[in-house]
Amino acid sequence: DTEVTQTPKHLVMGMTNKKSLKCEQHMGHRAMYWYKQKAKKPPELMFVYSYEKLSINESVPSRFSPECPNSSLLNLHLHALQPEDSALYLCASSQSVTSRRYYEQYFGPGTRLTVT
Amino acid sequence: DQQVKQNSPSLSVQEGRISILNCDYTNSMFDYFLWYKKYPAEGPTFLISISSIKDKNEDGRFTVFLNKSAKHLSLHIVPSQPGDSAVYFCAARAGTASKLTFGTGTRLQVTL
Repeated sequence: DTEVTQTPKHLVMGMTNKKSLKCEQHMGHRAMYWYKQKAKKPPELMFVYSYEKLSINESVPSRFSPECPNSSLLNLHLHALQPEDSALYLCASSQSVTSRRYYEQYFGPGTRLTVT
Repeated sequence: DQQVKQNSPSLSVQEGRISILNCDYTNSMFDYFLWYKKYPAEGPTFLISISSIKDKNEDGRFTVFLNKSAKHLSLHIVPSQPGDSAVYFCAARAGTASKLTFGTGTRLQVTL
């Protein structure tokens, strides 16, 4: 099973709402990632979790709050977002950082977020 | 500062012919390179990778070439098929970092 799943597929939220994006993988990967992708742009890394611990935060505003409850799940909690945060949010996973191929990341289909 | 560049936003190739997608980079610390394919409404799919200690890696119809002195890599698809029509991203990693730096993508269209 080489699948990363993300829910919901689409999300529309107001600037005062609180919502969460969910990501799940069952490949036994120990590194998980959140990316943001705007139209016609490459994916931009937001966060990296390694063995359920946050290892990289690419200076992401605090209105985005990641959580890794266990090795298979990754959440992104959203609060007080701005319209410019509208984008495709991609989750990815890879083998542990001690593995030879940990840099080969497997992506989910993404959540299309619209902030109104 | 775009460290990974794909200067061709789009490419059209006839079915059965060779598709060549190009990627240039500026960071000499990059030591591992990957190609991803992305269909609309889906996440990127890993295609093929190459370490900086090699200059070629082949997997079926896909071959990646790396020219370190020119800081250039290319993806060859032979023969091209209509199902190859997608956006292709190259990505690079430096050292032991978990971070991948992506190029801006090239949209490939394979015509009948």
